Amino acid sequence: DAKTTQPPSMDCAEGRAANLPCNHSTISGNEYVYWYRQIHSQGPQYIIHGLKNNETNEMASLIITEDRKSSTLILPHATLRDTAVYYCIVSYNNAGNMLTFGGGTRLMVKP
Amino acid sequence: AAGVIQSPRHLIKEKRETATLKCYPIPRHDTVYWYQQGPGQDPQFLISFYEKMQSDKGSIPDRFSAQQFSDYHSELNMSSLELGDSALYFCASKIGGGSYEQYFGPGTRLTVT
Repeated sequence: DAKTTQPPSMDCAEGRAANLPCNHSTISGNEYVYWYRQIHSQGPQYIIHGLKNNETNEMASLIITEDRKSSTLILPHATLRDTAVYYCIVSYNNAGNMLTFGGGTRLMVKP
Repeated sequence: AAGVIQSPRHLIKEKRETATLKCYPIPRHDTVYWYQQGPGQDPQFLISFYEKMQSDKGSIPDRFSAQQFSDYHSELNMSSLELGDSALYFCASKIGGGSYEQYFGPGTRLTVT
């Protein structure tokens, strides 16, 4: 699986958009970009995924560059409960695709 | 909605003892993953099963074994426990081949003394 690079930490004001970047320059053509988050010692939680196109769901938006070498997760209106470690993971989608968690961005949402 | 169930939630064992962790996936999920998260570390993949067959193996010690049963629940067996095995153990499940997201359980906190 391709490796990813994320900033170790970010701050965001409550109510503002949080934009979390991720570099995955060695991503292959059929690898997906997944975002998960982990709120203190809880099980990681799936947020969103994408292959080529931008995606949006009730939690977030995912913007993938045209060359697919980087992406940005956008939380449109961050709340205090969004404080967590956010992981960008690149992986194939098949029956056995394990997740390789590395680094991640610790997002602190402040009042 | 039903979630992944893990038991026990907390477990305290002594060195050289054995431990068994159980995972009950979401109904109709046929794929189970096990992850280990040491203190201050990121989750690390241990092993996965799809339709009761082992599908991938990560950094799982030889002292650990796991299996998935006919009802799709899974058990992680850990023997000759060491202090370094103290960690959170997460189980995740998904519908193999057809879905993208893994659903994680609340974890089992294992403390080895």
